[in-house]
Amino acid sequence: EVQLLESGGGLVQPGGSLRLSCADSGFTFSNYAMSWVRQAPGRGLEWVSSISGSGTSTYYADSVKGRFTISRDDSKNTLYLLMNSLRGEDTAIYYCAKDNLLATSWCWFDPWGQGTLVTVSS
Amino acid sequence: EIVMTQSPATLSVSPGERATLSCRASQTVTINLAWYQQKPGQAPRLLIYGASTRATGIPARFSGSGSGTEFTLTISSLQSEDFAVYYCQQYNNWPRTFGQGTKVEIK
Repeated sequence: EVQLLESGGGLVQPGGSLRLSCADSGFTFSNYAMSWVRQAPGRGLEWVSSISGSGTSTYYADSVKGRFTISRDDSKNTLYLLMNSLRGEDTAIYYCAKDNLLATSWCWFDPWGQGTLVTVSS
Repeated sequence: EIVMTQSPATLSVSPGERATLSCRASQTVTINLAWYQQKPGQAPRLLIYGASTRATGIPARFSGSGSGTEFTLTISSLQSEDFAVYYCQQYNNWPRTFGQGTKVEIK
């Protein structure tokens, strides 16, 4: 059974950096594409970034492009999100999720971790 | 970017009644649409993908329909555990986008 556990969230000042981690213990992590999705307080869901199973392809929302970097360490079954130049609008719960692909098409997210809260404030 | 619009924002339903939630895409997404359920303090859970295929373990009272730009999630007989927020998500185009959610509350 897939079990995803995020960590690394916390309070950071505007302009600061934070690295989120997502560890899994339930499946062959290296075979699967993974994503980060965030949810601002009281708001809806926003896709942030995705990485292919091989790690060679990465994708970013325009709102984070150039500031966030997604990566993976398959030897540790861990997904990362390095967030630089953080802004107030980055405040959100960040969820990692397993991507589901049909052929080469990126589709739905399942399952999801429980999320980690990032608060950007002075 | 495809904009997903859900209606209504809040739906008040009595237990045992049917709930019908709508999701509209700003351009066609064929059947590349998923539905999620989110309860307070929890992560979203996949309910439906391919517009109408129930995910593993999802009860038969949940059904999805539609194609193109108009989609519906129906809960045939609401149980207490079904009161939650529901999101649709399109995966026809990048970036993958979500609707703003419909809250199903107890009437």
